Amino acid sequence: AQKVTQAQTEISVVEKEDVTLDCVYETRDTTYYLFWYKQPPSGELVFLIRRNSFDEQNEISGRYSWNFQKSTSSFNFTITASQVVDSAVYFCALIRSYNTDKLIFGTGTRLQVFP
Amino acid sequence: GAGVSQSPSNKVTEKGKDVELRCDPISGHTALYWYRQSLGQGLEFLIYFQGNSAPDKSGLPSDRFSAERTGGSVSTLTIQRTQQEDSAVYLCASSLGGTSGTYEQYFGPGTRLTVT
Repeated sequence: AQKVTQAQTEISVVEKEDVTLDCVYETRDTTYYLFWYKQPPSGELVFLIRRNSFDEQNEISGRYSWNFQKSTSSFNFTITASQVVDSAVYFCALIRSYNTDKLIFGTGTRLQVFP
Repeated sequence: GAGVSQSPSNKVTEKGKDVELRCDPISGHTALYWYRQSLGQGLEFLIYFQGNSAPDKSGLPSDRFSAERTGGSVSTLTIQRTQQEDSAVYLCASSLGGTSGTYEQYFGPGTRLTVT
């Protein structure tokens, strides 16, 4: 069975702090895809990144970076120099490589960035 | 270009009534998904369409729920005889889809359903 665990329910930081959101996944598939989505207070889920299981290269996009480690089944997300606009719920998700491609979501981490 | 749109944005209905929720995917996206987001259950998959076919309906919680897609575009999710536990935000997503690859799913703003 596939499962995504986001153990951090809520994180609060002060602006300009760095923050890491943890994601641990379970799957028996050898090929799979991992995602991060952001859900701001407006409610719409915004796609942030997709990572393929065969590509463990870390990725940086501006203040965002992602660390994918197959050895620990983790796909963590770091925001550097956080800003108030980063306040949102962040979801990690998994897709199997075949069939329905349905997203299996974690329970989300609510990030609050205070000025 | 235009994103995924959903209507209505909010729907309040009485227990026992039927409701229809609509989703307009991004043009050219062959795959369409319905999810449900509620406080107690998080984000749950409901049904997946590839074109007009629904190869996976495994997430539909009961036979009161049905969905269709026409013309490879618009989809309608119908809930019959609504119950209070159906109250949730219903999210639609679309992607380029296809059986040979996996693509990002882009979400609409959702329909907030409240059953009184």
